[in-house]
Amino acid sequence: RKEVEQDPGPFNVPEGATVAFNCTYSNSASQSFFWYRQDCRKEPKLLMSVYSSGNEDGRFTAQLNRASQYISLLIRDSKLSDSATYLCVVRGPGMEGNKLVFGAGTILRVKS
Amino acid sequence: GAVVSQHPSWVICKSGTSVKIECRSLDFQATTMFWYRQFPKQSLMLMATSNEGSKATYEQGVEKDKFLINHASLTLSTLTVTSAHPEDSSFYICSARDSAELSNQPQHFGDGTRLSIL
Repeated sequence: RKEVEQDPGPFNVPEGATVAFNCTYSNSASQSFFWYRQDCRKEPKLLMSVYSSGNEDGRFTAQLNRASQYISLLIRDSKLSDSATYLCVVRGPGMEGNKLVFGAGTILRVKS
Repeated sequence: GAVVSQHPSWVICKSGTSVKIECRSLDFQATTMFWYRQFPKQSLMLMATSNEGSKATYEQGVEKDKFLINHASLTLSTLTVTSAHPEDSSFYICSARDSAELSNQPQHFGDGTRLSIL
């Protein structure tokens, strides 16, 4: 089983749509959680951290369910510029706490 | 914000050549830097953790003699792909953690090096 699993997609949605991505992680002791965005042939860029209480940044809402080891990202009012691969990233626990484990990514394509 | 510079951004060379990639933290000190590799349509995979002033820690399956890492200062880590072959062609990305930040803060990524071995 992969440490971080995501639906690869692609999710093809029209502009203005709301889309949700899910992610599960296997290590219950994982410490921190992030969503990154990666454009084609570019480095990943941090989109937002994910907190247990849930957090929102503009059109983006992230939630964490530690009991189910599940992370989600909701994008409202999708824009063409949101088209990218979204990476679910988990930081290891304890001595592995410096390491980031990346999911394989979910592809989003927003079309006009 | 924190910036990590990676150089070169693109390398094309013949099989058997050794290639050095530099990763610099421009406005912060990084005692720890990380090297990742990403093959097409796959996720980033951690290759090794580079520690300033000491030996790098390699992930399982990554040959330390093939991928030489040097972290001689608080702002520079280098990855040398020795005797590169076509199967080493990939996107190599470094990241760095600001030593002054809490350990739960995100890492800062370089913009990657696309390596193509002919």
